[in-house]
Amino acid sequence: GNSVTQMEGPVTLSEEAFLTINCTYTATGYPSLFWYVQYPGEGLQLLLKATKADDKGSNKGFEATYRKETTSFHLEKGSVQVSDSAVYFCALKSGGYNKLIFGAGTRLAVHP
Amino acid sequence: GAVVSQHPSRVICKSGTSVKIECRSLDFQATTMFWYRQFPKQSLMLMATSNEGSKATYEQGVEKDKFLINHASLTLSTLTVTSAHPEDSSFYICSADGQHNSGNTIYFGEGSWLTVV
Repeated sequence: GNSVTQMEGPVTLSEEAFLTINCTYTATGYPSLFWYVQYPGEGLQLLLKATKADDKGSNKGFEATYRKETTSFHLEKGSVQVSDSAVYFCALKSGGYNKLIFGAGTRLAVHP
Repeated sequence: GAVVSQHPSRVICKSGTSVKIECRSLDFQATTMFWYRQFPKQSLMLMATSNEGSKATYEQGVEKDKFLINHASLTLSTLTVTSAHPEDSSFYICSADGQHNSGNTIYFGEGSWLTVV
């Protein structure tokens, strides 16, 4: 079946450090891939997405590239800020149905 | 601004009572809505898929008689937790699938914290 595996957190970084959160997936067909962010006490917000191989999603300085050969969609940011502290979820959607499969989530804590 | 609204954002109820959570799509019609449950520091687990005008499809292990889902219109789905118990305390979040002016994508509500005492 379809599944998403994320690196375990928490990830603790200093401000302006480089961020990578790994995400790999297993899916039939050609899934769409997403990163969602959840700030403390809030619901999920779509951060970025990619719908086909080699697409790069980007938003707010975050980027992720859909790598079909490695079945990965790693999230990166060149310089994190304290305000980026949140839980990040990798997710996929496969087929014509908008049912999302989520990874376990990775908590990011950024310190000044 | 938010395109999917959930209400209430927080609710406390007594054990044995029922509580209803609403999920509304704003400015677009959602033919399908999804209900998730999230335990502290864990991922979202899909509970059920709600299609307008038809019965919800529940994921394996989810009690359909306990978690009643109604999707009576293209902008509203409700989740009713019946005979709630403390172990039902959780964060419930809905998402809606539809064509908004931002494009066709999945939008999440703000979530609802349920505490059963």
